[in-house]
Amino acid sequence: NAGVMQNPRHLVRRRGQEARLRCSPMKGHSHVYWYRQLPEEGLKFMVYLQKENIIDESGMPKERFSAEFPKEGPSILRIQQVVRGDSAAYFCASSQRTGAHGYTFGSGTRLTVV
Amino acid sequence: GESVGLHLPTLSVQEGDNSIINCAYSNSASDYFIWYKQESGKGPQFIIDIRSNMDKRQGQRVTVLLNKTVKHLSLQIAATQPGDSAVYFCAENINSGNTPLVFGKGTRLSVIA
Repeated sequence: NAGVMQNPRHLVRRRGQEARLRCSPMKGHSHVYWYRQLPEEGLKFMVYLQKENIIDESGMPKERFSAEFPKEGPSILRIQQVVRGDSAAYFCASSQRTGAHGYTFGSGTRLTVV
Repeated sequence: GESVGLHLPTLSVQEGDNSIINCAYSNSASDYFIWYKQESGKGPQFIIDIRSNMDKRQGQRVTVLLNKTVKHLSLQIAATQPGDSAVYFCAENINSGNTPLVFGKGTRLSVIA
């Protein structure tokens, strides 16, 4: 079991470009959560998805950010027209069922906007 | 000692001493709590959890204490080792619902060899 896989590990984008972050949950896990972490801060919830459904997107900015978790393939966090303030580490976690028990985090994608 | 500033609070301890990391949680409805360890450049790693029907739980070298009256959680690490140096986060959740984990601010533990 490879755990939660995130790629790329590091991503550099120029202002105005698009960033796509991928997350493959653990085998058997159908719940995916995305978090953002700024340097020296805690993790802030962004969005919670199950296969083909967004359950809770209360932590995700209304503009430029979107997330999906298709029936087949990884979950994608997409940031359009990136700005310097988007620079952060983005972590994905997965779980087998509703609730936090059994959350497993990936190693994150570090996005740098130049 | 412990310091709080613009950056994460830092707790410095001598190798072999016990460490106590504290956390105040926000939601009185939370019924499940987790401590995570995050090393530099890595994702959070589960350490220990506790449900609200308990006030203490022990693992290997770690103990979590829960005080629901004052909404306080602590993590005790016995015989702290250099490998324990990391940032520690508490997280709370209402396990019975479709609610995500809410993380605290974190404390950086620095072990002095």
